Order: sequence, then structure tokens, then C-alpha cells
Amino acid sequence: QKEVEQDPGPLSVPEGAIVSLNCTYSNSAFQYFMWYRQYSRKGPELLMYTYSSGNKEDGRFTAQVDKSSKYISLFIRDSQPSDSATYLCAMKTGGFKTIFGAGTRLFVKA
Amino acid sequence: DAGVIQSPRHEVTEMGQEVTLRCKPISGHDYLFWYRQTMMRGLELLIYFNNNVPIDDSGMPEDRFSAKMPNASFSTLKIQPSEPRDSAVYFCASSSWDRARSEKLFFGSGTQLSVL
Repeated sequence: QKEVEQDPGPLSVPEGAIVSLNCTYSNSAFQYFMWYRQYSRKGPELLMYTYSSGNKEDGRFTAQVDKSSKYISLFIRDSQPSDSATYLCAMKTGGFKTIFGAGTRLFVKA
Repeated sequence: DAGVIQSPRHEVTEMGQEVTLRCKPISGHDYLFWYRQTMMRGLELLIYFNNNVPIDDSGMPEDRFSAKMPNASFSTLKIQPSEPRDSAVYFCASSSWDRARSEKLFFGSGTQLSVL
């Protein structure tokens, strides 16, 4: 079993839809939870970061962490074609070793 | 700031050849990471350095892989001899030990390696 599980998709939605992406994990020592966005032929870029449990909102993006269920989510409101990318969840303990999910490919159709 | 710079962007080589990938981290960053990305396995951490010293190389798949960081502004990942199953995108990332930003990895654009 992988430490971090993420459905690779692809996920296709119409413009303006609410997108829900999620990951599950097995290591209860994870404390830092991140979402990276990766455009084609580019490196991943940090999109959202959350420490421990709770919610964090940044514009159209909301990240949620439920440590009791070992489940994290990213919601995108009013999705745009420019949101089309691969979204990778990432986690780490207090150290520097970041573990990534497989990534979910998202397509937002105009 | 130019960001993390990797070279070459693309590398095509034949099985058995030596391959060297290069990375220049962001100036002032004291952590450097090498990741490999494939469709099957996703993004895997191979090795990371702190202040030019290798800290964890448990992700290096075999002895054919080696990495060095001779100074704060340069690192190499070498594969010798290369095999077709090494074909992947190799990313270098850097970060700074700073509580405000320690969770953020800055990635380069990657090197697409194809071993024929």
C-alpha cells in the first residue's frame, strides 16, 4: 500500500463547475499537507499549504484536512479552463521528506 | 530570481551510456532535492541534500544512480549505465529552512530522459 493514495483521473468538468480533488494517506505522523499544481511540461508549483487539521481558503481554492480520517481535499470553485492541470497532493512529517500522491489530471472545458 | 535551473531539458541516449543531469538551485536555498516522475510511480524522492551534504538517499533505486553537490549552486545526478526503465522526467527542487516557507519546494522544469 502506498503512503499516499490519489485517483489519477482524468477528471473532466465544464467551466464554472465546483471541482473536488482528494487524497487518503496511511502515515499518521504527517503534519504538513500541501497541494501542488503542475502544468504540462512544467515542474509542480505550490498551490495550497495546511498545517495539521482544518480548512484554508485562498480565492477560489479551499483545502481541507481531516486527520481523524486521514483524508485531504482540494475544492476549486468557479473552475476555469486555465485550471486545467495535474493536481498533486503532498505531505510530510516535521522533516524535509515530502511524499507526493500520483496526481489527478483535471480538464476544465470552456 | 531565475528559479531552479535544470539542464538539459531533453536527453535521449542509448542503453548503457552514462547520463548526467544538472541542477542550479535558487540562491540562498540550503536544501536540494532530486525527484523522478513517471506515469506508473508518480513523483518519487530520490535523494536530498542540506548544505551540500546528502541527508537521505534511500530513494535512489540502484547503485547505477549517484548524486553530488560540490557547492551550494550546483548539483548533478548521474546514471551509469543507463537502462530503458530509467526513462522518466527528473526534477530538481530547492527550498530554504525558514518556518514561513519550509514547506514550499521550488521545482525546476525537469529533464525528460529517454533511454532507448
